[in-house]
Amino acid sequence: ELKVEQNPLFLSMQEGKNYTIYCNYSTTSDRLYWYRQDPGKSLESLFVLLSNGAVKQEGRLMASLDTKARLSTLHITAAVHDLSATYFCAVDMFDVDDKIIFGKGTRLHILP
Amino acid sequence: DTAVSQTPKYLVTQMGNDKSIKCEQNLGHDTMYWYKQDSKKFLKIMFSYNNKELIINETVPNRFSPKSPDKAHLNLHINSLELGDSAVYFCASSPRPRPGELFFGEGSRLTVL
Repeated sequence: ELKVEQNPLFLSMQEGKNYTIYCNYSTTSDRLYWYRQDPGKSLESLFVLLSNGAVKQEGRLMASLDTKARLSTLHITAAVHDLSATYFCAVDMFDVDDKIIFGKGTRLHILP
Repeated sequence: DTAVSQTPKYLVTQMGNDKSIKCEQNLGHDTMYWYKQDSKKFLKIMFSYNNKELIINETVPNRFSPKSPDKAHLNLHINSLELGDSAVYFCASSPRPRPGELFFGEGSRLTVL
């Protein structure tokens, strides 16, 4: 059974600092997605990573995918309060099981 | 125009009642999903339909019955509601054959008293 593990699950950090969220998964997949969820809101797509070595950047967020290591990272550069949210990675298992499996989410709280 | 819309946004009901949530997407996608998000924010897939055909049924109690009258609509009916059914239910859609990203509705928060 596919497992998708994010860490940390909770992160409180100061504005201006850098940090990385990790997403490990247990079965071969070449596609991974990152989503953001604000409290009480829906999930918003951030990044779609479609191959080994894919790197995408948007503002202070950068996501990467290493399919050999079964690892994706979401790096936050010089965090600002507006980035406070829950971040989910999701692994595309359509080649195996016809579904997308989500990690448990990382609740990020950035202190002003 | 809202791409994936769900109604109602909030439901508060008593144990034992039956309720339905409706979902519609105007993206032209072939595949639609129901995900459940519990109080710890964990997201778990419940069902998926591809062009009205059930593809995934994730060991969900048979009190939950999805219905897809056409590929733009996916409804969820829940019988005999239990306290543990309290959650936020998200509808999502995606294109086929590979989904790319999922497009989520705003969620329906169900509270069972």
